Amino acid sequence: GQQVMQIPQYQHVQEGEDFTTYCNSSTTLSNIQWYKQRPGGHPVFLIQLVKSGEVKKQKRLTFQFGEAKKNSSLHITATQTTDVGTYFCAETTGNQFYFGTGTSLTVIP
Amino acid sequence: GAVVSQHPSRVICKSGTSVKIECRSLDFQATTMFWYRQFPKQSLMLMATSNEGSKATYEQGVEKDKFLINHASLTLSTLTVTSAHPEDSSFYICSARRRSPNTEAFFGQGTRLTVV
Repeated sequence: GQQVMQIPQYQHVQEGEDFTTYCNSSTTLSNIQWYKQRPGGHPVFLIQLVKSGEVKKQKRLTFQFGEAKKNSSLHITATQTTDVGTYFCAETTGNQFYFGTGTSLTVIP
Repeated sequence: GAVVSQHPSRVICKSGTSVKIECRSLDFQATTMFWYRQFPKQSLMLMATSNEGSKATYEQGVEKDKFLINHASLTLSTLTVTSAHPEDSSFYICSARRRSPNTEAFFGQGTRLTVV
């Protein structure tokens, strides 16, 4: 079943502030993916992390995979209103595809 | 990126009737498709994993006789909600992956089901 927890569940930030969401698993993950779902929309793939300790950047977004491959984080620097949405990590092991509980981000202009 | 089309986007049906939702991968072959249910402000709950040409694998607590899944081809999977009841009202969303494992999933636009 689904074993990936995300914190926080909700986050309100002022535009320009940073934002971080954390994903934690009770088991070792072969890889982890991150998705963004805008209000009323469907999830869109952001990135996949595979290696222990891996760090990847996409403009203002920084993704990390823990050394033990049991946790991951997404950090957004200087949030903008376009960052609004729910961010999910997803556990993909073999044929299984489970989503984390998600973090809903609200950016206040 | 690849395109997954889900139809219909919205459906209202009477209690006791059945509703079929289609999920198509338009420009790639999807050996695996996933069906999720999402309640407002909540995460996507995996209902079942569907592999082309074989029976779907249902998650614990999901009634396979109520949520019929068929993955007849590499580009089409269907979810049929049988004898729908108001508590089945939800947002249903499918996703598809290419042949290679551990690749990204592409999502359909989702179906808002309302049972009255």
